[in-house]
Amino acid sequence: DTGVSQDPRHKITKRGQNVTFRCDPISEHNRLYWYRQTLGQGPEFLTYFQNEAQLEKSRLLSDRFSAERPKGSFSTLEIQRTEQGDSAMYLCASSLGVSSSSYEQYFGPGTRLTVT
Amino acid sequence: GENVEQHPSTLSVQEGDSAVIKCTYSDSASNYFPWYKQELGKRPQLIIDIRSNVGEKKDQRIAVTLNKTAKHFSLHITETQPEDSAVYFCAASHGSARQLTFGSGTQLTVLP
Repeated sequence: DTGVSQDPRHKITKRGQNVTFRCDPISEHNRLYWYRQTLGQGPEFLTYFQNEAQLEKSRLLSDRFSAERPKGSFSTLEIQRTEQGDSAMYLCASSLGVSSSSYEQYFGPGTRLTVT
Repeated sequence: GENVEQHPSTLSVQEGDSAVIKCTYSDSASNYFPWYKQELGKRPQLIIDIRSNVGEKKDQRIAVTLNKTAKHFSLHITETQPEDSAVYFCAASHGSARQLTFGSGTQLTVLP
């Protein structure tokens, strides 16, 4: 499968625990986005990377959220001290981003987080 | 920031009929408008998109129209089939990040 992949697909954790999700973008894509989707809503933008640089992170929901893309390939999203309100689907998307024609974003299957 | 509103929230049509979903956006600088189809438990799938320099785009049974002056765009599906049943999201892209702001979705049900 050459599409965007995410791991794990499901995560159940207890309130207060830390969780980390991984996203592997389409191989030649240098832009990577994280979104959060709650039930019945559209995805909500969190942050994005151009190669290894995190160029927009003001939309991260709190300082408990952080993301990295250390080598410009895969990315991780970490949530510290999880709260029940963090329960949602976390989606990753990637885009070519190398020219003005590269707007299309392709989504991964998501990681569904349940905080108990 | 950008705000995208989508209507209707639910839409039921008979198989073979047409379906139309409408969206409005607030930021006149937005310049790219994709539509995604999301089946239950699956990833959002890009089905069609339009740039701000184009008024209409068609791909087989699917078309999108854009009115920049009024800041609204619409998805048109003709000859609907049961497999078209899903949640459809519109979105607008803006800024150097080209981040997407999504509408709240339309649950389309095609009745056989």
